[in-house]
Amino acid sequence: SAVISQKPSRDICQRGTSLTIQCQVDSQVTMMFWYRQQPGQSLTLIATANQGSEATYESGFVIDKFPISRPNLTFSTLTVSNMSPEDSSIYLCSVETSGIGSGELFFGEGSRLTVL
Amino acid sequence: GENVEQHPSTLSVQEGDSAVIKCTYSDSASNYFPWYKQELGKGPQLIIDIRSNVGEKKDQRIAVTLNKTAKHFSLHITETQPEDSAVYFCAANSWGKLQFGAGTQVVVTP
Repeated sequence: SAVISQKPSRDICQRGTSLTIQCQVDSQVTMMFWYRQQPGQSLTLIATANQGSEATYESGFVIDKFPISRPNLTFSTLTVSNMSPEDSSIYLCSVETSGIGSGELFFGEGSRLTVL
Repeated sequence: GENVEQHPSTLSVQEGDSAVIKCTYSDSASNYFPWYKQELGKGPQLIIDIRSNVGEKKDQRIAVTLNKTAKHFSLHITETQPEDSAVYFCAANSWGKLQFGAGTQVVVTP
């Protein structure tokens, strides 16, 4: 397992602004993932972030809206750009600790964003 | 791609009774099936998982069964307690990524 810390834990944002979410892991991991969980919904993968390469985005998510950084093996950031009320969600960082492709994911506590 | 369906969407049980949540998947290549518990205001917590080389796995009051032929897997919680109240998500891996079910809200009433 891994201890995953996310900041901020929650925030209220104004329409049109951007917010960067930080994810810190207590051990080095190759694969980090960012998920979105809209109110009362399931988890949807936004992108996969590997250290030293560009993030890989899922269908429906673009780099201009959700830029991601992965400067080292324990840290990543997700920015939600030019926010609208539809971006109000929980954003979750997760890591894979049991080998690439194992599927065994551990999640942070999430960052709860409300956009007014 | 993978499609995971989860039923029921809500489940209310009396304390001490059993709860069963069922999921089906579409990708026959999927070989890893985790279950997550999400309490209010928290991130999902991995509670049990099963790989395709076994049919059943148990950990105290929770168990998971897998039927690869029928492409379905289930979570069983016995002797439910109020602290089991949460949203439970099943998932299946496909092409190195997890696809999640829609979730089941479990309410355990004393």
